[in-house]
Amino acid sequence: GQNIDQPTEMTATEGAIVQINCTYQTSGFNGLFWYQQHAGEAPTFLSYNVLDGLEEKGRFSSFLSRSKGYSYLLLKELQMKDSASYLCATMDSNYQLIWGAGTKLIIKP
Amino acid sequence: NAGVTQTPKFRILKIGQSMTLQCAQDMNHNYMYWYRQDPGMGLKLIYYSVGAGITDKGEVPNGYNVSRSTTEDFPLRLELAAPSQTSVYFCASSFTGEGEKLFFGSGTQLSVL
Repeated sequence: GQNIDQPTEMTATEGAIVQINCTYQTSGFNGLFWYQQHAGEAPTFLSYNVLDGLEEKGRFSSFLSRSKGYSYLLLKELQMKDSASYLCATMDSNYQLIWGAGTKLIIKP
Repeated sequence: NAGVTQTPKFRILKIGQSMTLQCAQDMNHNYMYWYRQDPGMGLKLIYYSVGAGITDKGEVPNGYNVSRSTTEDFPLRLELAAPSQTSVYFCASSFTGEGEKLFFGSGTQLSVL
């Protein structure tokens, strides 16, 4: 079956680094997305990986290993505004998105 | 550009009532989607459309209907509302469906009592 796993909740300190992991099993693979969703708001796009390796975009980086069915989102120099849920989603062979339940990230001062 | 405009933001329905959630995008996107988001669960695809006149079922289509008469508009119809349809609904769009990011509307919080 198709499945995405990510931790339900994580806590980190302002200014620190946090890594949010995502493991997946899907029918075919056409890329992995990370979205950020603040409470009560819509998801917004953060990153897209289709090849193995690390993609860096400012304070946020995303890593993909297709052979391991594994990705992580790395957030550096954490700010209070980074408190949000982070959604992992894979695109299967039919170009349909399969979504994880999201990781709620709590930033403490 | 307004992006994806979704209305209403909140709605309370009684069991058995019907309503339409409106969604419009002004980015000339071909693909449009309706998702529902329940607490502790990932987004679930209700219906999607790859262009005007073409719609298809997603993972959880029962109790819903859609139409796509124009590129811009993709309304979602709830017939005979049930408590199980209490959820947050998001409309989204993308230019193509292949490896492209989605643009989301602001969401509709629907309660069926």
